[in-house]
Amino acid sequence: VQLVQSGAEMKKPGESLKISCKGSGYSFASYWIGWVRQMPGKGLEWMGIIYPGDSDIRYNPSFQGQVTISADKSISTAYLQWSSLKASDTAMYYCAKHGTGYDAFNIWGQGTMVTVSS
Amino acid sequence: EIVMTQSPATLSVSPGERATLSCRASQSVTDNLAWYQQKPGQAPRLLIYDASTRATGIPARFSGSGSGTEFTLTISSLQSEDFAVYYCQQYDNWPPYTFGQGTKLEIK
Repeated sequence: VQLVQSGAEMKKPGESLKISCKGSGYSFASYWIGWVRQMPGKGLEWMGIIYPGDSDIRYNPSFQGQVTISADKSISTAYLQWSSLKASDTAMYYCAKHGTGYDAFNIWGQGTMVTVSS
Repeated sequence: EIVMTQSPATLSVSPGERATLSCRASQSVTDNLAWYQQKPGQAPRLLIYDASTRATGIPARFSGSGSGTEFTLTISSLQSEDFAVYYCQQYDNWPPYTFGQGTKLEIK
């Protein structure tokens, strides 16, 4: 069971971006996958989550409207996207899946570092 | 939103000694509480879920306790590889499933 994320990105303010998280070794459609932000030197922030089976999505109100979460169960991949990046979006982004019978994140991706700078 | 507060922010302990980390919720989360370990440059790793159940492959020196609003992670005899940052997370009420701000466990 693993989640493999796309590689590091360097972008300019105002640019768009979509990062990915591919699951393998388990029934991708049957487990919620969430996104977690970690700004440099800071703690973990729960951004939102998607159930790939029916694309049910829940956002942290703090991130609602700032990012879009989606998934394509046919290729076992979840996405996190921005339409207009800001310097304050500079952070490491992790995807992670829920466990069986509990909603803690039992499997994490390796993280995608997003750097936004002019 | 449920606020999770961890204490202390930094804990200095010698190898071989016991470490006790605390996590408090702003309202009851029953036993829907997880603990994670994060080492520099690595993704977090699940240690404990449902407040007291060790995740797969986690050594027995890690134990969790508590329910409602007060929780504890205990590491019975610290090994060198245990020095890291530890986070609690509630998954009782969403969105969001909130994390604590972390406790850094450092070598004394």
